[in-house]
Amino acid sequence: NAGVTQTPKFRVLKTGQSMTLLCAQDMNHEYMYWYRQDPGMGLRLIHYSVGEGTTAKGEVPDGYNVSRLKKQNFLLGLESAAPSQTSVYFCASSYTTFDRFLDEQYFGPGTRLTVT
Amino acid sequence: RKEVEQDPGPFNVPEGATVAFNCTYSNSASQSFFWYRQDCRKEPKLLMSVYSSGNEDGRFTAQLNRASQYISLLIRDSKLSDSATYLCVVNILNTDKLIFGTGTRLQVFP
Repeated sequence: NAGVTQTPKFRVLKTGQSMTLLCAQDMNHEYMYWYRQDPGMGLRLIHYSVGEGTTAKGEVPDGYNVSRLKKQNFLLGLESAAPSQTSVYFCASSYTTFDRFLDEQYFGPGTRLTVT
Repeated sequence: RKEVEQDPGPFNVPEGATVAFNCTYSNSASQSFFWYRQDCRKEPKLLMSVYSSGNEDGRFTAQLNRASQYISLLIRDSKLSDSATYLCVVNILNTDKLIFGTGTRLQVFP
């Protein structure tokens, strides 16, 4: 099992450019998440999905869009990149129980994005 | 007030020392609790879940105090390989999200 994979691993964008980050998991998890991590801020939730075809906003959704067309994939899009979006982006996935107790989240290796 | 608060450290301890981290959470509807470990420039990984009765995994012991709304992690006989950032994580009842603390950095020196 590959677990959770992310592409690309590194990217440099100019302000105003767009890009899509891809997250894939092979554990048949229902739940998937996109976080950003900045120094001193910890992990902040951007968007998440509780199943194929569903998405929801997290703590810091502005400037990002997501799609979950297939259960195993969760895409994060930046339509017009800004320097404030320079960060490390982590994708994660998890099981949940019938009563919505969240189980362990498995993280991908991260994407380091710099916007100049 | 942050939902999950941790002392950022760093905690600098010699090999063999015992070190303890505390974490406080603000939402009394919190139902699941975890400690994650994050190595420099790597992704977070689950260290252990925290149960109401407390639990131990080798040199690591986690405790939960619901009345005071805090979680603790005790590391005994510290190893150089324990150097990392430890994240306190909480799930609030009927939400589909985990809330992460900003982490406590541990540096173990020879």
